[in-house]
Amino acid sequence: QQQVKQSPQSLIVQKGGISIINCAYENTAFDYFPWYQQFPGKGPALLIAIRPDVSEKKEGRFTISFNKSAKQFSLHIMDSQPGDSATYFCAARVYNNNDMRFGAGTRLTVKP
Amino acid sequence: GAGVSQTPSNKVTEKGKYVELRCDPISGHTALYWYRQSLGQGPEFLIYFQGTGAADDSGLPNDRFFAVRPEGSVSTLKIQRTERGDSAVYLCASSLRAGGGEYNEQFFGPGTRLTVL
Repeated sequence: QQQVKQSPQSLIVQKGGISIINCAYENTAFDYFPWYQQFPGKGPALLIAIRPDVSEKKEGRFTISFNKSAKQFSLHIMDSQPGDSATYFCAARVYNNNDMRFGAGTRLTVKP
Repeated sequence: GAGVSQTPSNKVTEKGKYVELRCDPISGHTALYWYRQSLGQGPEFLIYFQGTGAADDSGLPNDRFFAVRPEGSVSTLKIQRTERGDSAVYLCASSLRAGGGEYNEQFFGPGTRLTVL
């Protein structure tokens, strides 16, 4: 059922570094691509999202880059902080549809 | 300003037993979703409700799984004759309304961790 492939499975970054997580999708009907952040014992929380009419969206230290022709999108976390340590999920759906498909997740650890 | 709440937070049961998992959505949210998250995986869609009716139950794995939302608010996910493979975290989410678009941002609860022995 997973139509969104996410890598890497885990990532360790030093404080102040850049964290990069990649996702690829198959269904060309997808036109809404959110990223979720999940802390242990909590549900996923929406971090940032993009639609394919733009190639990049930035909110604070978080940036989504989107490549429609390659059917890939990525999350960049600039100046990574220990408080960013969490599991990150990419997802995709058709904008006017409710069936959201998630990637398998990336466990990010930011070392102080 | 309460978020989505789910009870219980943990449920341990024996193979073959029946379990009910409860979700209280954010007040005023008409759409409610159930997902299953297995260890090391992303959430997997099960079912969603718009109001009292199940608008899409295509993600339910088999007829042992059933969900209701009788008054359009609280929802209960019911699992009959539980199997060890049902062990997972069951997440509930709600959104202002269904139908996609900007009003479909889904707010997730903390989940219920179900363990079937």
